[in-house]
Amino acid sequence: DIQMTQSPASLSASVGETVTITCRASENIYSYLAWYQQKQGKSPQLLVYNAKTLAEGVPSRFSGSGSGTQFSLKINSLQPEDFGSYYCQHHYGTPYTFGGGTKLEIK
Amino acid sequence: EVKLEESGGGLVQPGGSMKLSCVASGFTFSNYWMNWVRQSPEKGLEWVAEIRLKSNNYATHYAESVKGRFTISRDDSKSSVYLQMNNLRAEDTGIYYCTRITTVVAMDYWGQGTSVTVSS
Repeated sequence: DIQMTQSPASLSASVGETVTITCRASENIYSYLAWYQQKQGKSPQLLVYNAKTLAEGVPSRFSGSGSGTQFSLKINSLQPEDFGSYYCQHHYGTPYTFGGGTKLEIK
Repeated sequence: EVKLEESGGGLVQPGGSMKLSCVASGFTFSNYWMNWVRQSPEKGLEWVAEIRLKSNNYATHYAESVKGRFTISRDDSKSSVYLQMNNLRAEDTGIYYCTRITTVVAMDYWGQGTSVTVSS
């Protein structure tokens, strides 16, 4: 199975800051990488798919990049509604696997 | 509006069985692969099972941890997907989400989840 390693596990930042979360795949997944945001008590929501394509309705301050085994999610000018947990996941065939998550908290 | 609504969770004893249901609306259900994903504090998000289309002979795929114990099925006439869970273990405890998936767009819609607790 493809292992997804996400870092950091937690991150503290202020409104207005820019943050980057990284995700590494144990083998080449080309661009089959998705990012999800999850708020406390809610289900995950798709942010980015195919490594860099924003899902419908996702603000442009979010951006995804990478290919192969190294990926990142960048959030420019953090807003209060951006705090929560973020997960990467490969969609290069079953079994799909998720990263361990990054909890983004308000500093 | 796309909606996925799970039901059927609850408390079950180890070794017991439970069937989860997910009703979809707002899209042509028969055109989409469907998945179950679970989440627990111990394991995080974990993909459980997938069922494909009639044109794929309703092919199914399972995580190794549930293979032989769980069965995913669908009824396109009812826009529903199911997860039959047998021989349940404590480690199956978690919130179970129904998700729509495409190979290009990943899991683009998730239900609100249904909680399963396996405990004596």
